Formats: sequence, structure tokens, C-alpha cells
Amino acid sequence: EVQLLESGGGLVQPGGSLRLSCVASGFNYGGYAMAWVRQAPGKGLEWVSSISMSADATYYSDSVKGRFTISRDNSKTTVYLQMSSLRAEDTALYYCAKTSGRGGDFDYWGQGTLVTVSS
Amino acid sequence: EIVMTQSPATLSVSPGERVTLSCRASQSVSSNLAWYQQKPGQAPRLLIYDASDRATGIPARFSGSGSGTDFTLTISSLEPEDFAVYYCQQRSNWPRTFGQGTKLEI
Repeated sequence: EVQLLESGGGLVQPGGSLRLSCVASGFNYGGYAMAWVRQAPGKGLEWVSSISMSADATYYSDSVKGRFTISRDNSKTTVYLQMSSLRAEDTALYYCAKTSGRGGDFDYWGQGTLVTVSS
Repeated sequence: EIVMTQSPATLSVSPGERVTLSCRASQSVSSNLAWYQQKPGQAPRLLIYDASDRATGIPARFSGSGSGTDFTLTISSLEPEDFAVYYCQQRSNWPRTFGQGTKLEI
């Protein structure tokens, strides 16, 4: 059974930093790209970032480029999202998602970790 | 950036009805389109990939069609558990983009 377990969310002040983690299990982790997708309270889904299976390629939405960094440790089956210079508009539930073998759609999702940016 | 536009935003329906949801891309995405279902308090679930292929475990009452810029998700006969928000998403270009969602309500 595929499982994705996010952690690291919390309350942070504007301008602060936070690192999210997502531990994966139940599939060949090193064989798939991974992604982060967020959902602001009461809003729709927004893709944030993706990382290739070997971490040689990373992609970001314009809204987070230069502030967020995605990385992965295949030995720990974990993907990370380092967030800095956080803004109020980054407040959201952050989902970790497994990218399908087709590349670009997301066939398994975690339950999310909530990030609140507020003073 | 490819903009995905879903219509309608909200649809009031009844169990047993046939429902069609629309998704339009601002430029061609070929068949690189997925549909997701999200129920309150839950993570999204992949329903359809490559515009018309059902994901693992998805009931046959869900079907997708379209290519290029215009896509539809059809639920042939609504079950009570189908009342949720549905999102389309393109994987043709970076950045990956989602539609704003269509909410099915009773």
C-alpha cells in the first residue's frame, strides 16, 4: 500500500522559514518523480514544485521560485520542501504527491501538513 | 502558463442523474489531462488520466473524453458518495496547472 506522510507544518511569522518532509512507503520510491501541491483555505489546488526521480531536475511555480527548494533523499524515501521568505499567501495545506509513471499527474497523495504564515 | 478553466463552478444535481463537467485549456494539451475528486477533509484522488483512462479502482460510471483544449468528465449515474469537488489538471507543460474546480452539490 502506497503511503505518503507529511510533517513539518506549523505557524511561522512572515519572512520566516520552514522545512516540510514527506516519507514515502509502499512503492519503488527511487523510480518516480515527486511533487508538492498546496491548497489555501477554501480554495483550489495549486502545484508548487516537482523533482525528478534522481533529483537532477527540479521545477517550481512562479509564485515560489527563488524562495522554496525541493529536494529528496532516496535512501530515506523522503522528499523535502524548504520554504523561506514566507508570506501570508503561502498559508495552505501542503500535500506531498507521487507522480505517476506517465509523468506529470499525481496518482497518490498524502493527507497534507498545514502551514500558517501569520504574525 | 496554460490556464485551465472549468465550468460550471457549482452544479446542483440529484442522485441517479447523469452529469457532465467541462474543462477547457488555454492552449492544446493533447491528451495530457487528468481529473481528480476531492471530498471535504480529504486529499484529492486521481480519477482519470490521459483524458479518458480510469485510474485504478475507479468505478466505470466515471468517464473522460476530449483532446486538445476541450475535455469532459461524465458521471453516468450519480451516487451519494460522488458529491465532491472535481478538478482537471494538465501535464503537458510546466508549470502544471489545475482548473479552479467544479463542486457537485445536492
